[in-house]
Amino acid sequence: DIQMTQSPSSLSASVGDRVTITCQASQDISNYLNWYQQKPGKAPKLLIYDASNLETGVPSRFSGSGSGTDFTFTISSLQPEDIATYYCQQYDNLPPGFGPGTKVDIK
Amino acid sequence: QVQLQESGPGLVKPSQTLSLTCTVSGGSISSGGYYWSWIRQHPGKGLEWIGYIYYSGSTYYNPSLKSRVTISVDTSKNQFSLKLSSVTAADTAVYYCARGPFYYGSRMLNWFDPWGQGTLVTVSS
Repeated sequence: DIQMTQSPSSLSASVGDRVTITCQASQDISNYLNWYQQKPGKAPKLLIYDASNLETGVPSRFSGSGSGTDFTFTISSLQPEDIATYYCQQYDNLPPGFGPGTKVDIK
Repeated sequence: QVQLQESGPGLVKPSQTLSLTCTVSGGSISSGGYYWSWIRQHPGKGLEWIGYIYYSGSTYYNPSLKSRVTISVDTSKNQFSLKLSSVTAADTAVYYCARGPFYYGSRMLNWFDPWGQGTLVTVSS
């Protein structure tokens, strides 16, 4: 199976800050990488697919980039409603696998 | 829009079989194009994909769980179901159903959207 890592595991930032999360795959996965947001007590929600494509209805402050083994997820201006855990997910190979998550808090 | 809702017992005894059903509304499972998945999340932990099914009954399971998992579909009820046998405390988790993956041309696009709200299943005597 392809192993996914994320860093940091958690972060605290101020409202309006730029937040960046990285996701690394154990092998080349091209751009087959998705990002999800999970708020406490809720199901995950798809934000970005194929590394950089914003899902319909998702605010433009969210963005993604990368290919191969290294990927980045960015919130350009952190808002209070962005408090959540963010997961990356690869689908280059079956089974699809998720990263361990990055918990984002407000400082 | 499509909505999914999990249902089933919240408490299962060790060595027994966990059984959950996902009811799909706002769209038909048998319209094709989409696979339907089960995903679980251990308490305070990350996400683990369990397997998926197509309306035709075609399935694919995570090799780590394959020997214990059965996913089935009932198109007449617009539902799909999960059975996990010989459960232990390690199977205690929130279980989600979700739509996905799907085919776009010849390419399988493997993301999950939308998800059900999830249901907590505790394995305990």
